[in-house]
Amino acid sequence: EVQLVESGGGLVQPGGSLRLSCAASGFTFSNHWLSWVRQAPGKGLEWVANIKRDGSEKYYVDSVKGRFTISRDNAKNSLYLQLNSLRAEDTAVYYCAKEGDPGGFDSWGQGTLVTVSS
Amino acid sequence: AIQLTQSPSSLSASVGDRVTITCRAGQGIRSSLAWYQQQPGKAPKLLINDASNLERGVPSRFSGSGSGTDFTLTISSLQPEDFATYYCQQFYSDPTFGGGTKVEIK
Repeated sequence: EVQLVESGGGLVQPGGSLRLSCAASGFTFSNHWLSWVRQAPGKGLEWVANIKRDGSEKYYVDSVKGRFTISRDNAKNSLYLQLNSLRAEDTAVYYCAKEGDPGGFDSWGQGTLVTVSS
Repeated sequence: AIQLTQSPSSLSASVGDRVTITCRAGQGIRSSLAWYQQQPGKAPKLLINDASNLERGVPSRFSGSGSGTDFTLTISSLQPEDFATYYCQQFYSDPTFGGGTKVEIK
């Protein structure tokens, strides 16, 4: 059974930083693209970033470019998201998601809440 | 980024009703579209991939159709557990989601 478990969320002040982690199990981690998707309170879904199987390619939504960094450790079956220069509008539940074939996100974690507030 | 426009944004329906949700892409995306169901407080669940392929374990009352710019999700006979919010998502380029359709009890 595929499992994705996020951690690292919390309350942070504007301008602060946070590192999210996603521990994966139940599938061959290094064979799949992985993404972070977020959902602001009461709002819709927004893709944030994704990373290729070997970590050689990374893509970001425009609103986080230069502030967020996605990475992975295939030896540890773990995905990460470094969040810097946080803004109030980054407040959201952050999900890690496994990309399926031919596309779409076929497995999701339970999410971790990031709150940016003074 | 490719914009996806879902309609309606919400609807009220009764158990047993046939429900159709549409998703229009700002440019052609072939069949690179997925549909998700999200219950309150839960992660989204993938229902349909590649516009019309039902995911394993998803009830056959769900179906998807379309290609290019216009897509539909149909629930043939609405069940109590289907009251939720539904999202479309394109994977033709960097992923984007539609704004969602909330299906409520009439």
